[in-house]
Amino acid sequence: AQSVAQPEDQVNVAEGNPLTVKCTYSVSGNPYLFWYVQYPNRGLQFLLKYITGDNLVKGSYGFEAEFNKSQTSFHLKKPSALVSDSALYFCAVSRLGSARQLTFGSGTQLTVLP
Amino acid sequence: GAVVSQHPSWVICKSGTSVKIECRSLDFQATTMFWYRQFPKQSLMLMATSNEGSKATYEQGVEKDKFLINHASLTLSTLTVTSAHPEDSSFYICSARRGVRETDTQYFGPGTRLTVL
Repeated sequence: AQSVAQPEDQVNVAEGNPLTVKCTYSVSGNPYLFWYVQYPNRGLQFLLKYITGDNLVKGSYGFEAEFNKSQTSFHLKKPSALVSDSALYFCAVSRLGSARQLTFGSGTQLTVLP
Repeated sequence: GAVVSQHPSWVICKSGTSVKIECRSLDFQATTMFWYRQFPKQSLMLMATSNEGSKATYEQGVEKDKFLINHASLTLSTLTVTSAHPEDSSFYICSARRGVRETDTQYFGPGTRLTVL
């Protein structure tokens, strides 16, 4: 079985400050890791993914995430937060042979304060 | 590229009626589409995996006779909620995987808000 944990339901950060949204995973075999963002009453937008290679993955809107195998983590980061980054963020994991299914974390509500 | 649409964006229906939701990949072909359900302030729960030209694979606990899925073409999958009841009210989101590899990205539709009175 595979699972994802997002330990923080809510993250608040001041505009211009760096932000981190945490994600840890549990999966047998090599993980495929994804970050999505959801705005109110909208579907999910793809931000970035890690499949293999460089542990630091750069994605859309200035976001990046670092894959840490020893800590089984895939934290989402951005050097300077914008008010428009305020949204619900989901981490997801898949793995080879999992019938291409994504397992999502519970989501983290990010609020960037002006 | 990689745009997925859903129609309708919201629907209100009476208890006992059926509702059809369409999911379309607008600029790519999708052999596999997925249907999710999301309750307020909760994560997405996978309902079923829809494969073009074959029967859908339902997750445990999802009634296949209640949630009918048809993947008629490489760009269209439909979810029909049959004999809807108030407890079926939810936000339904589809996704389409661009490519056939397991590592290919799923792109999500904007969701359909279903309210059953």
